[in-house]
Order: sequence, then C-alpha cells, then structure tokens
Amino acid sequence: QKEVEQDPGPLSVPEGAIVSLNCTYSNSAFQYFMWYRQYSRKGPELLMYTYSSGNKEDGRFTAQVDKSSKYISLFIRDSQPSDSATYLCASNSNSGYALNFGKGTSLLVTP
Amino acid sequence: SQTIHQWPATLVQPVGSPLSLECTVEGTSNPNLYWYRQAAGRGLQLLFYSVGIGQISSEVPQNLSASRPQDRQFILSSKKLLLSDSGFYLCAWSDQEVAFFGQGTRLTVV
Repeated sequence: QKEVEQDPGPLSVPEGAIVSLNCTYSNSAFQYFMWYRQYSRKGPELLMYTYSSGNKEDGRFTAQVDKSSKYISLFIRDSQPSDSATYLCASNSNSGYALNFGKGTSLLVTP
Repeated sequence: SQTIHQWPATLVQPVGSPLSLECTVEGTSNPNLYWYRQAAGRGLQLLFYSVGIGQISSEVPQNLSASRPQDRQFILSSKKLLLSDSGFYLCAWSDQEVAFFGQGTRLTVV
C-alpha cells in the first residue's frame, strides 16, 4: 500500500464551481500535510501547508486534515480556468527525510 | 528568501552519452536536497536525497548517480544514457517539513 493515495482524475468542472480534491494516507506518524499545484511542464509549486489536523484557509483555497480518518482535502471556491493544473498532496513525519506524494489529480476548469 | 535553480530546462541527448544536471539553492544553509523523476501517470519517483555534503542516499538502483560537492549544489549524472532515462527530472530542497521544487528538466534520450 502506498503511503499516500490520491485519485488521479481527471476532474472537469465548470468555472465558478467548488472543487474538492482528496487524499488518504496510511502512516499515523505523519504530521505535515501539503498541497502542490503543478502546471504542465513546470515544477510543483507549494500551495498550502498544514501541521497536524484542522483547517487552513488562503483566499479561495482551504486545506483540511482529519487525522482520525487519515484524510486530506483541498477545497477551491469559485474555481477559475487558471486553476486547471495537476494537484499533488504530500505528507511527512517529523523524522522523515522525504515527503510522501500522491500521484496527483488532474483538474480542468472550463469557462 | 530561498530560491532554487535547475538547468537546463530541456535537453535532448543521444543514447550512450553522458548526463549532468545541476541544481543550486540560495538563501538557506544545510538543506536536504532531492532528485525526483516524474513520469506521466506515475507520480513523483524519488531518485536520490542528501542530508549533507558528500552524503547521498539512493532510493532506486538505476543508471544514474548523484553528488553534492557543496552545501547548496546537487548534481545528477549518468555515464551512459539509456532510452528509459527519458523523463521530467525535478530537483527539490526541504527544511524537513515541506519541499520546494525547481522548474524541472525535460530530458529526451534519442
């Protein structure tokens, strides 16, 4: 079992929709949870970062961690065509050297 | 602020030729450094990581090697490229909490 599982999609939504992206993880020692956005032919860009459980909001983006169910979510409100990208979730323990990545979900927001 | 530079952005190399990809980080000291390869539909594959100068850990046996000659410099090399080495290579650094990526090198071996 991979440490972080993520549905690859693709996910297609109309402009203005609320998008929900989800991951599950298996290692209860993970404490750092990240979402990266990757445009085609570019490196992943850190979008959101949370420590332990709870919610974190940044503009139209909300990251949510539920440690009891080992579930990580990213919500995008009022989605825009410029949000079309691949979104990768990642997690890490405080003793780990390398992040554990999901395979990424491809999102397309249509005008 | 910290920045990471990775070059070249694209590279086309013949089979059997050598490879050298370079990555440098600015604005931080003693970072953890990583090389990943990303294939379509397969996510990010960790190739090498380094926690200090001269300290390299390999995650998968392959035709590639890595070196860290200076604190903020990480190099990915090959003596003889194979067709299967084609892919998108990403350098990253971390403070052991989150990772920050370079813009990647798209390598095509022909």
